Amino acid sequence: NAGVTQTPKFRVLKTGQSMTLLCAQDMNHEYMYWYRQDPGMGLRLIHYSVGEGTTAKGEVPDGYNVSRLKKQNFLLGLESAAPSQTSVYFCASNRRRLYEQYFGPGTRLTVT
Amino acid sequence: GQQLNQSPQSMFIQEGEDVSMNCTSSSIFNTWLWYKQDPGEGPVLLIALYKAGELTSNGRLTAQFGITRKDSFLNISASIPSDVGIYFCAGQVYGGSQGNLIFGKGTKLSVKP
Repeated sequence: NAGVTQTPKFRVLKTGQSMTLLCAQDMNHEYMYWYRQDPGMGLRLIHYSVGEGTTAKGEVPDGYNVSRLKKQNFLLGLESAAPSQTSVYFCASNRRRLYEQYFGPGTRLTVT
Repeated sequence: GQQLNQSPQSMFIQEGEDVSMNCTSSSIFNTWLWYKQDPGEGPVLLIALYKAGELTSNGRLTAQFGITRKDSFLNISASIPSDVGIYFCAGQVYGGSQGNLIFGKGTKLSVKP
């Protein structure tokens, strides 16, 4: 049971480049989330999904898009990266009706 | 938006000491969660609380769901070096969208020099 996995672990992008972060979970959880973590700001919700084929905006969705084509995967896309998107990104998941979210190991993204 | 006030922001511990931290809010919560994050890792769930007044332990860690439902406390007894890290509280606001947790900004535990 791998839990929540994220790829890649590290990435450096130039301003304007695009990329996709992949999150996978093998716990059959219905809900999945993408957060960003910045010094002094704590964890902030970007987008989330309550089931396959559904997505919703969180607190800081601008500049990001997401897709949930399969229940076990949640993708986070940056279409045109900006230095303000330099951050550590975490994926999390939980079972419906339970609030205990389980986190992946994170992706450290630097945009120059 | 809703906020959680987590305190202290940082503290130094000496091996064997007991540690206390708390989270407070002006909103009512129906769930409180406590996480620990080590450097370069994702947050790991320590304790989940679902009822006002509930007291739950996980080894040397004990957490309480405040009676007013607006606060929660985490205690670590007889601290050891591996307790160093950042501890986050998180809560599910009563009546809020399920899954939208509110996170505190963390309490950083470091070893006393």
